[in-house]
Amino acid sequence: SAVISQKPSRDICQRGTSLTIQCQVDSQVTMMFWYRQQPGQSLTLIATANQGSEATYESGFVIDKFPISRPNLTFSTLTVSNMSPEDSSIYLCSVEGDSGNTIYFGEGSWLTVV
Amino acid sequence: GENVEQHPSTLSVQEGDSAVIKCTYSDSASNYFPWYKQELGKRPQLIIDIRSNVGEKKDQRIAVTLNKTAKHFSLHITETQPEDSAVYFCAASTNNAGNMLTFGGGTRLMVKP
Repeated sequence: SAVISQKPSRDICQRGTSLTIQCQVDSQVTMMFWYRQQPGQSLTLIATANQGSEATYESGFVIDKFPISRPNLTFSTLTVSNMSPEDSSIYLCSVEGDSGNTIYFGEGSWLTVV
Repeated sequence: GENVEQHPSTLSVQEGDSAVIKCTYSDSASNYFPWYKQELGKRPQLIIDIRSNVGEKKDQRIAVTLNKTAKHFSLHITETQPEDSAVYFCAASTNNAGNMLTFGGGTRLMVKP
């Protein structure tokens, strides 16, 4: 499986600020996804990061709040904009494995908004 | 869209006993069903998965069964050990959906020594 690195691993952010999370994969992958896991909850897909085009967002998530970049097949960023305490979550980058369908997760970025 | 429900939300078993977690899904087009284990403070780790062309898959103490007619699938852990204690998530996806996973709500498994 691919090695997926995320930065930052943890951060404490001030209300109203924005933070960009980076996801680096050690091999080229077609599909990259961003998930959110709120405290004690399950995982919810935010968007699919498309290389060379705009991300595809799921219901309830918008580009102004969660802008995403995907400049190449090994890298993506997710920005959490104008943060509020409700944005305190784990944000997980994920990629599709070689066998198709199989999804692997990065270590996650644990954000606390104060 | 797909909806995945998972039961129970918490499960406590004695070490050595078996544990069973069940999930149902709504989209009959779903054809891939992975299970993830998430230990406290860590990322979800894929532990086993099953595709719609098989009814059962086993890997040592872990097995997954799939009933496509009834649209449900289950995780079975035998001879549980304290290190099996974690939150387990089921998920479902279809190729047509670009392999996006829809997750169940999770089951907190506690194995008492």
